[in-house]
Amino acid sequence: SQQGEEDPQALSIQEGENATMNCSYKTSINNLQWYRQNSGRGLVHLILIRSNEREKHSGRLRVTLDTSKKSSSLLITASRAADTASYFCATDARNAGGTSYGKLTFGQGTILTVHP
Amino acid sequence: ETGVTQTPRHLVMGMTNKKSLKCEQHLGHNAMYWYKQSAKKPLELMFVYNFKEQTENNSVPSRFSPECPNSSHLFLHLHTLQPEDSALYLCASSQGWTPINEKLFFGSGTQLSVL
Repeated sequence: SQQGEEDPQALSIQEGENATMNCSYKTSINNLQWYRQNSGRGLVHLILIRSNEREKHSGRLRVTLDTSKKSSSLLITASRAADTASYFCATDARNAGGTSYGKLTFGQGTILTVHP
Repeated sequence: ETGVTQTPRHLVMGMTNKKSLKCEQHLGHNAMYWYKQSAKKPLELMFVYNFKEQTENNSVPSRFSPECPNSSHLFLHLHTLQPEDSALYLCASSQGWTPINEKLFFGSGTQLSVL
């Protein structure tokens, strides 16, 4: 089973509303990253949050991390039509001994549609 | 632009063809990656190169053959592909080879269709 799973699979909102996407993972991590992908394009890095951090902000983006629940959320405030994209979380998993596997594992993503 | 350029953007090939995908990064990064993105599946890591040396081969079939002549260029040679290999192939780079604390910079991808 995959390491990161986003929820919901699809989200449709109106411009100006907030959008919240969640990511759950199964093993301990060193960090968690969020990426955005516009249709048919490459992924663009948004935010990296380390396992000892609980919250990070970047412009209209707010990411939280709860390692006890093995989950993260991405909040986009005051959404715009240009925010329409797929959003992925990616985790750097580590084994029981704390050693990283040294590679990012991506979830299937949340498709966000923001209507003008 | 992310600083990572992939060509071609679209490719249609028959199962007996040989073709190559090209990736070039202008960021001075040391690590480069090939990912496969299929519909309704998570991004799959295929290969990782660090300072031109392959550090990861994620059980990829031999019909996919990577080549990294220097830290700025990465190729994926395709030979005798199957229709299920149709996907978006993404190249990425990062400063260091372990993306633990690194962010990845992706190219726009090559949309491959195998007929």
